[in-house]
Amino acid sequence: AQRVTQPEKLLSVFKGAPVELKCNYSYSGSPELFWYVQYSRQRLQLLLRHISRESIKGFTADLNKGETSFHLKKPFAQEEDSAMYYCALLTSGGSYIPTFGRGTSLIVHP
Amino acid sequence: DAGVTQSPTHLIKTRGQQVTLRCSPISGHKSVSWYQQVLGQGPQFIFQYYEKEERGRGNFPDRFSARQFPNYSSELNVNALLLGDSALYLCASSTNTGGTEAFFGQGTRLTVV
Repeated sequence: AQRVTQPEKLLSVFKGAPVELKCNYSYSGSPELFWYVQYSRQRLQLLLRHISRESIKGFTADLNKGETSFHLKKPFAQEEDSAMYYCALLTSGGSYIPTFGRGTSLIVHP
Repeated sequence: DAGVTQSPTHLIKTRGQQVTLRCSPISGHKSVSWYQQVLGQGPQFIFQYYEKEERGRGNFPDRFSARQFPNYSSELNVNALLLGDSALYLCASSTNTGGTEAFFGQGTRLTVV
């Protein structure tokens, strides 16, 4: 069975500092990986997906199949980045089974 | 567009009762997924429906069931409620199955007493 691990429940940084939110996964097939974000009092929303290879709001994430990781990074954190971040995995093939990690709360201090 | 809408927003039920939660997807979206989120955890996948057919099922007991209607709205039913069913239930819609972007509703907070 697939699993997504986000080892940090809380990550606290100061504005302008680099940020890395860790995500490790276990899955025997070829996964699709996503990062979702939930800002205070807002809905859960997609931040980025690995197949798009895009940078959203300064965040990037690279799929490392060797280390089975999909860490989310931003070189300079902003206060508005404070939110809950969830890493999610989607299995390949005909069955649609998304798996979310438990989430990491990012707090960016001024 | 109001986005994905869920009703009701809050609900209190007694153990053993049955509950029905409703979800209206974004116009044009044919896929609806349901998730359970307990405090301190990420969303846990329950069901996905696409074009009124079940396309995926998570590891939940048979007390949980769902269906999708011709207008693509969906209902999640939970029978014989347990205290452990207390959670935020999220609905998400997307244009298709698989890796297309899922748009989430605000959720229904279910409390079982």
